[in-house]
Amino acid sequence: DVKVTQSSRYLVKRTGEKVFLECVQDMDHENMFWYRQDPGLGLRLIYFSYDVKMKEKGDIPEGYSVSREKKERFSLILESASTNQTSMYLCASSLMQGNTEAFFGQGTRLTVV
Amino acid sequence: GENVEQHPSTLSVQEGDSAVIKCTYSDSASNYFPWYKQELGKGPQLIIDIRSNVGEKKDQRIAVTLNKTAKHFSLHITETQPEDSAVYFCAANTLTGGGNKLTFGTGTQLKVEL
Repeated sequence: DVKVTQSSRYLVKRTGEKVFLECVQDMDHENMFWYRQDPGLGLRLIYFSYDVKMKEKGDIPEGYSVSREKKERFSLILESASTNQTSMYLCASSLMQGNTEAFFGQGTRLTVV
Repeated sequence: GENVEQHPSTLSVQEGDSAVIKCTYSDSASNYFPWYKQELGKGPQLIIDIRSNVGEKKDQRIAVTLNKTAKHFSLHITETQPEDSAVYFCAANTLTGGGNKLTFGTGTQLKVEL
């Protein structure tokens, strides 16, 4: 079974803090993704990566950055957390970009106060 | 870029009835259309997908239809059961300068009532 593991289920951070969300996959997938899920807005792509040290902006990259130093790990970074970044964050991986099954982690519920 | 619209946002059916969720997409180059189910407290999980070279695909009680001309695709669940209650997302792929990505609809909360 493919496993995508996000390091935290729940996080509470203060405005202005630098926040790291970690994601690890165990299936040697080339592609990894970070989505944000908000009620009524569905899943919106923040960043994705199709190879180690490669990254591409998604639809809502502002206020975020990513790091992929190893194939199995993809980190989402909030440089200076703001209250409008309070959300559910979902990590996913897939063998091929965008046209094969994406496997999701269980999500991280981030609250910025 | 790609725009995926999904309707309805909520759907309530009686156990045993059918449920239909509809999506439209804007990018005529899209060729892959998956459907994901998200249960409470979990990440989305693929339940069925269809590619643009076919018009319909079935897997037990679940079927998906695709109309490329009209740019819409639908999820059909027959003989609904309480365990079908979840949020369902449609998606379409799109080729960007940086690669091939999925654009998701806004989700449908399906409730199957006893």
